Amino acid sequence: DAGVIQSPRHEVTEMGQEVTLRCKPISGHNSLFWYRQTMMRGLELLIYFNNNVPIDDSGMPEDRFSAKMPNASFSTLKIQPSEPRDSAVYFCASSPGRRNTEAFFGQGTRLTVV
Amino acid sequence: GENVEQHPSTLSVQEGDSAVIKCTYSDSASNYFPWYKQELGKRPQLIIDIRSNVGEKKDQRIAVTLNKTAKHFSLHITETQPEDSAVYFCAASKDAGGTSYGKLTFGQGTILTVHP
Repeated sequence: DAGVIQSPRHEVTEMGQEVTLRCKPISGHNSLFWYRQTMMRGLELLIYFNNNVPIDDSGMPEDRFSAKMPNASFSTLKIQPSEPRDSAVYFCASSPGRRNTEAFFGQGTRLTVV
Repeated sequence: GENVEQHPSTLSVQEGDSAVIKCTYSDSASNYFPWYKQELGKRPQLIIDIRSNVGEKKDQRIAVTLNKTAKHFSLHITETQPEDSAVYFCAASKDAGGTSYGKLTFGQGTILTVHP
């Protein structure tokens, strides 16, 4: 298995533009998490899904952020409109769920909003 | 919800010395405590974990201890090497049964620097 796959690896966009980050979890994993990492705030959980259903989105900073998981092998995190303060590394992670809670991280997407 | 505090935020040691990083958690129902290592520009990767039915776990030069009563757990690295230099994160979670689904709450991270 190639692990959790995220795309793009780097994204530079202008303020006000829409940004879509993509994630393919490990096959067979039931839980998927989106994290944001900044120097100031560390690793913050934005939202997580279990069996494609959003469980907790209390970490989503604003209505500009939305996430979907249309099927077990794909998730997106969208920011619209983007702002400079959204610049961060966004990680997707997946976990087998059930009793095994080890989380496997993707390589991350480094987002820069100018 | 769960709150995880991690100390110190930075740690500098000489090669061969030991390094200790400590974390406290707030939710007594948490029962899974992983440690992640993140090298510069890379993803966090699990290095060791411990469950609440165990007090200590060791894997070569790294060990983790857990004190459920005090709600704290620690990472110990012995005989440190320059390649141990990275950011280390502790985390806490409940088993994925019930409604937790394996949600991890992370500490703020410790930047470990091992000087040759």
